[in-house]
Amino acid sequence: AQKITQTQPGMFVQEKEAVTLDCTYDTSDQSYGLFWYKQPSSGEMIFLIYQGSYDEQNATEGRYSLNFQKARKSANLVISASQLGDSAMYFCAMRLTQGGSEKLVFGKGTKLTVNP
Amino acid sequence: NAGVMQNPRHLVRRRGQEARLRCSPMKGHSHVYWYRQLPEEGLKFMVYLQKENIIDESGMPKERFSAEFPKEGPSILRIQQVVRGDSAAYFCASSPGEGVARYEQYFGPGTRLTVT
Repeated sequence: AQKITQTQPGMFVQEKEAVTLDCTYDTSDQSYGLFWYKQPSSGEMIFLIYQGSYDEQNATEGRYSLNFQKARKSANLVISASQLGDSAMYFCAMRLTQGGSEKLVFGKGTKLTVNP
Repeated sequence: NAGVMQNPRHLVRRRGQEARLRCSPMKGHSHVYWYRQLPEEGLKFMVYLQKENIIDESGMPKERFSAEFPKEGPSILRIQQVVRGDSAAYFCASSPGEGVARYEQYFGPGTRLTVT
């Protein structure tokens, strides 16, 4: 079954430190993609970063990087130099392409709290 | 560049009424997706549409729910005869469907539906 697992319901980090949010996935597809989204308390879903299954380099976007380990089926998000505004829910999602359709499958999320 | 627009942001309906949720995709995006988020959960795929076509509605409940994306105007998610279990946040996402960023789904702010 196509599935995303985020094993950390909550994480705490000190301001200015780095933090890693875990994500593992399960799929038999050869072509897929992995996303991370941020959902602050205001509720919107903010796209952070994307990694395609054939991309050889790990994706980076500013302070966000995706540690993609294909053999382990993991796609962890690394946030460097945490800021108070990083406190939010973080969702890992997998893009599935089946029979002409596209959809995202989401994990249950990790609540990140950045302490001053 | 306007992002994905959804309205209303909050909607209260009594049991048995109809709910209509609207989504205008980002400029240049022709693919629209609807997702539902129950409290403390990740998002669940409902339906994937392109202009005038439903591509995949495998995540939609078989009864009371329908979606459309007409040639002109926003995409509409319609819920007839709402029940308390329909209370959730409904998110719309859009993607360009072609080009380098064809897989990136950008989300609207969501519509919070409350059924009383």
